Amino acid sequence: DTAVSQTPKYLVTQMGNDKSIKCEQNLGHDTMYWYKQDSKKFLKIMFSYNNKELIINETVPNRFSPKSPDKAHLNLHINSLELGDSAVYFCASSQRTPNTDTQYFGPGTRLTVL
Amino acid sequence: DQQVKQNSPSLSVQEGRISILNCDYTNSMFDYFLWYKKYPAEGPTFLISISSIKDKNEDGRFTVFLNKSAKHLSLHIVPSQPGDSAVYFCAASASSWGNEKLTFGTGTRLTIIP
Repeated sequence: DTAVSQTPKYLVTQMGNDKSIKCEQNLGHDTMYWYKQDSKKFLKIMFSYNNKELIINETVPNRFSPKSPDKAHLNLHINSLELGDSAVYFCASSQRTPNTDTQYFGPGTRLTVL
Repeated sequence: DQQVKQNSPSLSVQEGRISILNCDYTNSMFDYFLWYKKYPAEGPTFLISISSIKDKNEDGRFTVFLNKSAKHLSLHIVPSQPGDSAVYFCAASASSWGNEKLTFGTGTRLTIIP
């Protein structure tokens, strides 16, 4: 059973389009994340939701909008795609504790914007 | 400004020998550190972590050492096995920030030579 799953695994689209990436976790965690890994392989957090509430929003263009229908799902919608959005996007989840945070990652979605 | 640095982009080690991966950080607020392992086309997989109240944590073949005064941590793998060949990411978080925000290094590609 996959703990954190993402769909699709690959996404190729034209500039200007709107697309969504879905993420689901079956670990019972209360916190979910979206990360972007750019061409330099730098993995950087974009958003974090705890129990459907946004708790981290790093400096990300407002073309990116996360949506959390329940605590097991965190989807990422991207409007008006640009070339620079091409990257691998990872979803992750964790159980929020006072002193530690071990995040479990999905397999990633490789987005290519043409 | 990169707060977590892995200065060696790659490392090759003979099978059976010790692999030592290094990580430096600049932010003294970080108090929890993790190592992740990543295979191609997969998401990062949690390996081992350490809290700043400790200077060593061991799990099987993997040991993480933390030197707070030097703001340095290292991951030791002994003995190294071919399946250890992967990219290793160091990550850090601060409990005062709620621990949800992981800051990653750029990774070190470890190759185990049979």
